[in-house]
Amino acid sequence: DTAVSQTPKYLVTQMGNDKSIKCEQNLGHDTMYWYKQDSKKFLKIMFSYNNKELIINETVPNRFSPKSPDKAHLNLHINSLELGDSAVYFCASSQGQGTGELFFGEGSRLTVL
Amino acid sequence: KQEVTQIPAALSVPEGENLVLNCSFTDSAIYNLQWFRQDPGKGLTSLLLIQSSQREQTSGRLNASLDKSSGRSTLYIAASQPGDSATYLCAVRRSGNQFYFGTGTSLTVIP
Repeated sequence: DTAVSQTPKYLVTQMGNDKSIKCEQNLGHDTMYWYKQDSKKFLKIMFSYNNKELIINETVPNRFSPKSPDKAHLNLHINSLELGDSAVYFCASSQGQGTGELFFGEGSRLTVL
Repeated sequence: KQEVTQIPAALSVPEGENLVLNCSFTDSAIYNLQWFRQDPGKGLTSLLLIQSSQREQTSGRLNASLDKSSGRSTLYIAASQPGDSATYLCAVRRSGNQFYFGTGTSLTVIP
């Protein structure tokens, strides 16, 4: 039973297109995140939502727009894709303001041609 | 701002050896520290979580220690196996929901 699941696992698309990645967690956590992992494997936080409210919004282009319809779901929509957006995007979740663990999804590999 | 460093960036050892991976962080005001494993093309799997009040955690052949005052954590792997080959990342949790990741150590265990 997957704890944090994200779809699709692979995305190949042309520059200028718009794409979305979906994430769902069944752990009962109230906080969800989007991370970007670049080719050097460095993980960088993009967004975090707590109970559907945006609490972390790092320096990310406006073309990236997260949406959290409820605390178990966090989606990422990317407009006007650029070559530099090619990366692996990870969804994660944790329990709020406490000291709980961070759990990750399997990642969505985005390739922009 | 919190900075997390992992040294070495890559490590290659023969099977059966005990090894230590290092993680250092610049700000000791952390809630906890977590060690992850990442296999190629996969997500991050949590290995061990050490709360700020703890000194170490153990799981099977893995033992993680935490010295908050010196900003250091180590992950000890006993009797390494080829299946341990992966990238190991540490992450520190600061106030609320801020997690800071190291750049990882790529481990290869040679049969």
